Amino acid sequence: DAKTTQPTSMDCAEGRAANLPCNHSTISGNEYVYWYRQIHSQGPQYIIHGLKNNETNEMASLIITEDRKSSTLILPHATLRDTAVYYCIVRVATNDYKLSFGAGTTVTVRA
Amino acid sequence: KAGVTQTPRYLIKTRGQQVTLSCSPISGHRSVSWYQQTPGQGLQFLFEYFSETQRNKGNFPGRFSGRQFSNSRSEMNVSTLELGDSALYLCASSLSGVGNYGYTFGSGTRLTVV
Repeated sequence: DAKTTQPTSMDCAEGRAANLPCNHSTISGNEYVYWYRQIHSQGPQYIIHGLKNNETNEMASLIITEDRKSSTLILPHATLRDTAVYYCIVRVATNDYKLSFGAGTTVTVRA
Repeated sequence: KAGVTQTPRYLIKTRGQQVTLSCSPISGHRSVSWYQQTPGQGLQFLFEYFSETQRNKGNFPGRFSGRQFSNSRSEMNVSTLELGDSALYLCASSLSGVGNYGYTFGSGTRLTVV
């Protein structure tokens, strides 16, 4: 799997957008970008994934650069409940039976 | 629909003992995978089962084993427990283990070895 690089931590003001960057410069053409988050003492929660196009769902938006070497997860209106560790993972969807988690980004949303 | 259920939630065992953890996946999900989470190593993949067959295994010693039943429920076993086995053990289920969708994780079993 390609490795990802994320900032160790970041703060965000409640109600503002949170933009979480992820570098995956060695990503292969058939690898997807997945985002999960883990709220304290809970299991990881799937957020969103994408291959090359930007994606949006009820939780977040995923922006992938044209060269696919980096991506940004956007939480449009952060709330205190969005405080969590966010993991960016690249994975071949068709034949990879696991998720390879890095250290992730600890996001703290402040009132 | 019900989520992924892991039992027990908390467990305290003595070094040298063995332990069995249980995971019930979402109904209809046939793939179950297990992860260990520790402060030092983060989230690490243990193994994955599909239709009662182990398809992938992480880099853990043979003391860690698992199995899956015909109803897709899975158990993992750790024998001869060591202090370093203290961790949060997470189970994740998915329809088939591959494909363009996410895994659903349980809340985990917190194992403490004393």
